[in-house]
Amino acid sequence: EPEVTQTPSHQVTQMGQEVILRCVPISNHLYFYWYRQILGQKVEFLVSFYNNEISEKSEIFDDQFSVERPDGSNFTLKIRSTKLEDSAMYFCASSERGGRGFNEQFFGPGTRLTVL
Amino acid sequence: EDQVTQSPEALRLQEGESSSLNCSYTVSGLRGLFWYRQDPGKGPEFLFTLYSAGEEKEKERLKATLTKKESFLHITAPKPEDSATYLCAVQASGGSYIPTFGRGTSLIVHP
Repeated sequence: EPEVTQTPSHQVTQMGQEVILRCVPISNHLYFYWYRQILGQKVEFLVSFYNNEISEKSEIFDDQFSVERPDGSNFTLKIRSTKLEDSAMYFCASSERGGRGFNEQFFGPGTRLTVL
Repeated sequence: EDQVTQSPEALRLQEGESSSLNCSYTVSGLRGLFWYRQDPGKGPEFLFTLYSAGEEKEKERLKATLTKKESFLHITAPKPEDSATYLCAVQASGGSYIPTFGRGTSLIVHP
């Protein structure tokens, strides 16, 4: 069964450093998303991406964040200068459709980011 | 501001003991309500989408229903493998497709 994969599973970084979280969405999916979940809190939407551009982003997704689809398979989230409060589980997701199909998403296993 | 509240926060059941989880929401207009299952250390797994009041969806021991103010996830004769956190998310009508998630209900089913 096709699945979304994410690397690394756990990333530890120092405050102020740049990190890149990687995702390989399901191959025939066209819509890609990043979410985060701070320990014990709600899942929060960060950004959606379609046709090589951002479709929507939340207030959390400020100038420190960027996304890219550098090739035909990878989808990345970059945090330029990490802060302590960026520590969270980051989930990538993909869907075949957008709009009303937005939430029929397949999530990856997540990357746990720890900022020291 | 859109609100999604799930109750109870945690639920312990004996195997075979049916129950319901609640998701109440406050949005200006509902585009869709979604249920996910999340196992520890994993990403959410999509279960159901409900679009309008009165709609019902079923999958194995799970049945999701929707009214104008809330949704229920009914679990019939649960098994230990149904143990997980169940998340509800709401998408409001309008220009944005950004979903708002609830905090989830942690379900433990004892054998």
